[in-house]
Amino acid sequence: KNQVEQSPQSLIILEGKNCTLQCNYTVSPFSNLRWYKQDTGRGPVSLTIMTFSENTKSNGRYTATLDADTKQSSLHITASQLSDSASYICVVSDPMDSNYQLIWGAGTKLIIKP
Amino acid sequence: DGGITQSPKYLFRKEGQNVTLSCEQNLNHDAMYWYRQDPGQGLRLIYYSQIVNDFQKGDIAEGYSVSREKKESFPLTVTSAQKNPTAFYLCASSIEGAWDTDTQYFGPGTRLTVL
Repeated sequence: KNQVEQSPQSLIILEGKNCTLQCNYTVSPFSNLRWYKQDTGRGPVSLTIMTFSENTKSNGRYTATLDADTKQSSLHITASQLSDSASYICVVSDPMDSNYQLIWGAGTKLIIKP
Repeated sequence: DGGITQSPKYLFRKEGQNVTLSCEQNLNHDAMYWYRQDPGQGLRLIYYSQIVNDFQKGDIAEGYSVSREKKESFPLTVTSAQKNPTAFYLCASSIEGAWDTDTQYFGPGTRLTVL
């Protein structure tokens, strides 16, 4: 069964520091990979979307990278702010699934401390 | 959360009761979705609809029912047949329901607790 695994499960960093979140997937081939940000008790919001041919995509202080050979993606957050405290979810689109195609990771919970 | 609203935000239900969760969107999107989120797990698809008067089962449709009589509305009923209904329920919509290209926009969610 295709899977999306995220690490670490949770992470605590100080405000102003950088951090990198990891996403490993088994879906192959895949159409695209997305990163969502989910504030506690809210719905997820899309941050980036990358096709299999893209290596990097930025959205402000968020930069997603993709290595299709190793089936890994990372989300790098630069100069973290308190508002970055949230869960970050990796989602992979599986084009071989004829019914529905999104495989969601469990997320990494990021806590930014002042 | 864009133009998607879910109500209520918190819902309490006694065992054996059916409850209906509301989801409305004013984004003029064709497709709508219901997901369930449990701690430590990825979102799981319950039902989705790509057009009015049509909907499809997702991974975990047992114990749930939906209707899509209007483009703007996609209510979810959690029936007494759902064995473990306590969870956070998320509604989403997208332009046309193309899984590989559409971005899904989510509502604020409803937290259902069975007492």
